[in-house]
Amino acid sequence: GQNIDQPTEMTATEGAIVQINCTYQTSGFNGLFWYQQHAGEAPTFLSYNVLDGLEEKGRFSSFLSRSKGYSYLLLKELQMKDSASYLCASPFSGGYNKLIFGAGTRLAVHP
Amino acid sequence: SQTIHQWPATLVQPVGSPLSLECTVEGTSNPNLYWYRQAAGRGLQLLFYSVGIGQISSEVPQNLSASRPQDRQFILSSKKLLLSDSGFYLCAWDSSNYGYTFGSGTRLTVV
Repeated sequence: GQNIDQPTEMTATEGAIVQINCTYQTSGFNGLFWYQQHAGEAPTFLSYNVLDGLEEKGRFSSFLSRSKGYSYLLLKELQMKDSASYLCASPFSGGYNKLIFGAGTRLAVHP
Repeated sequence: SQTIHQWPATLVQPVGSPLSLECTVEGTSNPNLYWYRQAAGRGLQLLFYSVGIGQISSEVPQNLSASRPQDRQFILSSKKLLLSDSGFYLCAWDSSNYGYTFGSGTRLTVV
């Protein structure tokens, strides 16, 4: 089966750095996605990792370790607009690119 | 360009009434399409997916059904809504190797 776990809530201060962790258990691995979802809105794509290592995109970076079944999203120079839920997701190994989502981590950025 | 449209944005329906939510995709052909539901404060739950006209796979047996009458049209329906059907419904298509593109969502409240 598939299982994706991430913390429910996190808080951080504006200008700081925060790391959101995600652990996954899948019978086959086809990559790991991170999405951002502001309250009341649809999720938007942030990053995709299929190989081990760190992928950097401006203030956001994503890391993957396939041997450990672990990923994290790193947000630097936090801004108030980064307050949102961050969803970790992985394609179901059964095919058809069915994405299985974690429950999401709600990040609150305070001044 | 490729876009996904979903309507209505919000809906309040009485228990026992029917439901029809529509999703259309533009700028692509033969997309994989998905319906997700997100209960308040929860993660995304995959309800249905479709790989072509008339092809529907159900992930969770429940009070809902889906249809794909045209290549770029995906419809979520119910004959009689339950209170537990309340939630944020999202249509998505498998836009690339970078996961999904989501519609703007429909917030359904069953009263």
